[in-house]
Amino acid sequence: ETGVTQTPRHLVMGMTNKKSLKCEQHLGHNAMYWYKQSAKKPLELMFVYSLEERVENNSVPSRFSPECPNSSHLFLHLHTLQPEDSALYLCASSQDLGLGTEAFFGQGTRLTVV
Amino acid sequence: AQSVSQHNHHVILSEAASLELGCNYSYGGTVNLFWYVQYPGQHLQLLLKYFSGDPLVKGIKGFEAEFIKSKFSFNLRKPSVQWSDTAEYFCAVNAGYGGSQGNLIFGKGTKLSVKP
Repeated sequence: ETGVTQTPRHLVMGMTNKKSLKCEQHLGHNAMYWYKQSAKKPLELMFVYSLEERVENNSVPSRFSPECPNSSHLFLHLHTLQPEDSALYLCASSQDLGLGTEAFFGQGTRLTVV
Repeated sequence: AQSVSQHNHHVILSEAASLELGCNYSYGGTVNLFWYVQYPGQHLQLLLKYFSGDPLVKGIKGFEAEFIKSKFSFNLRKPSVQWSDTAEYFCAVNAGYGGSQGNLIFGKGTKLSVKP
């Protein structure tokens, strides 16, 4: 248990569906992140939030829409996804954006787009 | 663009064998280097990290890694593996351009299987 909880653990959705992934951290951290882990590809950073403000968006398609209502919660809203978006989506948090802090990861949401 | 290469996709060892997993990165400036481990069904967790100072870094569970700047390498080692070391290992680099540890560039990972 890392203190970073992601729900749901598994999600199957059609290409016309709208769904949301949820991440919650109980560590009192100020920074939160979304990563995508695809088979046989490196983890890709998608979004970075610090104190509820987005500080980085790595050219992610608009069908992925993040939301950070407070420093403990992070959402990833999904709509009109493609089959190639099937992957493990990982949430992480860190105390702040300083280089000396460690990132703690959740267990991920396994997303399958059909 | 920065990148991280892990040379082995899958390594199979017997218990008590020595382990070395290769990691090379492409970036000429200041870097911070990490090894993460993901045990089956569990979350990614930090194994060890290098920021500065002694290039030989010791981590949890008997793992260590050596930063060789001239070779752009940060190989992970363990003298004697155990069955419980079966996991996937990820090398990552933060290129130190002001981002956090969350701003990491990961390698593709190396799956380690240890036979009892």
